[in-house]
Amino acid sequence: GAVVSQHPSWVICKSGTSVKIECRSLDFQATTMFWYRQFPKQSLMLMATSNEGSKATYEQGVEKDKFLINHASLTLSTLTVTSAHPEDSSFYICSARSLAGSYNEQFFGPGTRLTVL
Amino acid sequence: GENVEQHPSTLSVQEGDSAVIKCTYSDSASNYFPWYKQELGKGPQLIIDIRSNVGEKKDQRIAVTLNKTAKHFSLHITETQPEDSAVYFCAATSNTGNQFYFGTGTSLTVIP
Repeated sequence: GAVVSQHPSWVICKSGTSVKIECRSLDFQATTMFWYRQFPKQSLMLMATSNEGSKATYEQGVEKDKFLINHASLTLSTLTVTSAHPEDSSFYICSARSLAGSYNEQFFGPGTRLTVL
Repeated sequence: GENVEQHPSTLSVQEGDSAVIKCTYSDSASNYFPWYKQELGKGPQLIIDIRSNVGEKKDQRIAVTLNKTAKHFSLHITETQPEDSAVYFCAATSNTGNQFYFGTGTSLTVIP
């Protein structure tokens, strides 16, 4: 149980284009989903917290107009990187908190490798 | 806010030996401490966790200890195997907050 998927697993795009990453909780309903980015050999940096049906809460320094988050259902959250630039290249990971499970646990997706040329 | 420190940043052990990774935290309100294993190119996987109402938890070769007074918790892996090689992250959070505060990670290499 508690499986989180991400799609795509990797994407290469040209500078200036937009990329959408999907995060799905496959076998549970998630009240809250989180988006992280991770640079090589570094820890996870929380970008934003999304709650189903409401606006995402962004961490300081994260541009909400650049990283659009939509949490339309209890099993799906999307992150859209708009007008991507090479510095946006990173490993993006989502996690989900179960509605029915422990109030603390987060289950992580496999990540999406974004490369912007 | 919470500050989590993790040591060592890299650790190499011989197969069969034990590995210990230590984390400290600053916020006494933190009450949930998970450990994640991340293999190259993959997302973190929860391997064990501990809540503040217990001092130790064990799952086969993996154990976690928690010292609330000193605000530190440790991951112990016994009888290490090459497949244990990965980056391990500790984290801390409280039930009043959403955010997980992650340590900086430990790259564990088990030498066959």
